[in-house]
Amino acid sequence: KNQVEQSPQSLIILEGKNCTLQCNYTVSPFSNLRWYKQDTGRGPVSLTIMTFSENTKSNGRYTATLDADTKQSSLHITASQLSDSASYICVVSGSRSGGSYIPTFGRGTSLIVHP
Amino acid sequence: DGGITQSPKYLFRKEGQNVTLSCEQNLNHDAMYWYRQDPGQGLRLIYYSQIVNDFQKGDIAEGYSVSREKKESFPLTVTSAQKNPTAFYLCASKVRDKEAAYGYTFGSGTRLTVV
Repeated sequence: KNQVEQSPQSLIILEGKNCTLQCNYTVSPFSNLRWYKQDTGRGPVSLTIMTFSENTKSNGRYTATLDADTKQSSLHITASQLSDSASYICVVSGSRSGGSYIPTFGRGTSLIVHP
Repeated sequence: DGGITQSPKYLFRKEGQNVTLSCEQNLNHDAMYWYRQDPGQGLRLIYYSQIVNDFQKGDIAEGYSVSREKKESFPLTVTSAQKNPTAFYLCASKVRDKEAAYGYTFGSGTRLTVV
């Protein structure tokens, strides 16, 4: 069964500090991995996407890494800001016959940044 | 601006009542999806549609129905058969990134509450 596990479930940090969120998956065959940011009461917004051959991708203060051998990904947030307070969701897509892709969603990590 | 519009943002349903959630996109995407989000859980797929006049059940389709008469529109009806409909509902459509991997654009969601 395809699964995506995220840790920690929640995290509280002070403004300006760095943090790292983890994502472990068992999706097979692997197609791509995305990190989404979801503000409270809003839809998720894509931060990064990585395919099998990529092991790091940056988007401003967000840097995602992927180890396809160990099936692990991390999202590192540098110099956190109050606006980073949100849920961060890891989504892993597996490829299917016929060219379709079905994503498996993690439960998310809730990040709270305090001033 | 292109995007997905969900309405209403908040919806209240009485016991035994059917309600319809609207989802409209102007991104010219072929595929559209409905997800349900409950606290502490990952997004769960209700229904999806790859093309007009065709749709498929997801993991939790019981008590829900959809239609896809137009490419731009994918409304979701929550019927009285859905015994626990209180949740946050997200509509999404499929994008193709420049990396040739598939990702999703999400709407802002509808929060449905049974009263």
